[in-house]
Amino acid sequence: DIVLTQSPLSLPVTPGEPASISCKSSQSLLRSDGYSFLDWYLQKPGQSPQLLIYLVSNRASGVPDRFSGSGSGTDFTLKISRVEAEDVGVYYCMQATQSWTFGQGTKVEIK
Amino acid sequence: EVQLVESGGGLVQPGGSLRLSCAASGFIFSSYWMYWVRQAPGEGLEWVAKINEDGSEKYYVDSEKGRFTISRDNAKNSLSLQMNSLRAEDTAVYYCVRGYCTGNRCSRPYWGQGTLVSVTS
Repeated sequence: DIVLTQSPLSLPVTPGEPASISCKSSQSLLRSDGYSFLDWYLQKPGQSPQLLIYLVSNRASGVPDRFSGSGSGTDFTLKISRVEAEDVGVYYCMQATQSWTFGQGTKVEIK
Repeated sequence: EVQLVESGGGLVQPGGSLRLSCAASGFIFSSYWMYWVRQAPGEGLEWVAKINEDGSEKYYVDSEKGRFTISRDNAKNSLSLQMNSLRAEDTAVYYCVRGYCTGNRCSRPYWGQGTLVSVTS
């Protein structure tokens, strides 16, 4: 199985400041058809996961443009250009290139 | 608008059975792989089962092989998960998820809101 390793696991942030989360895969997520199935989700307390970024860098509808995804192969990053208070929660990366697996989650909280 | 609505969760005793359902709308159901993903309380996310477009291919996470059965009814736009011999560790919110691709065109996945399964005596 492909293992996804997120870092950091805890991220205190200051509103207005940037933040980033890394997701490293144990194998390349690039398929022969050119797609890399790497998504980012935010799960707020008591809610189901909400899709932020799909296929590495595509923002889901309704997601603020302060969120961006990048990367290739085995290394991927979620960036928040200016953190807002509503961005707190647990962020997960997920790969669907080979079966589906998830990162451990990164808890983002306000300092 | 794509919608996935799960139902069938609830309280069940260890060793019991439960059948989860997912009603799909807003897309051509028969054109997508469908998945069940679960999340135990306070834990991360785990893929449980998946089924291809016409139901001829089914795959399960190793820990659930033989206890869970995924199925679909394309005429009714419905996905199901039959869960038998339930254990306390099966306690989780179960999510119905639409896959990414139809043919060779891929876009975003869609998730339902989930249904809670509690296995307790």
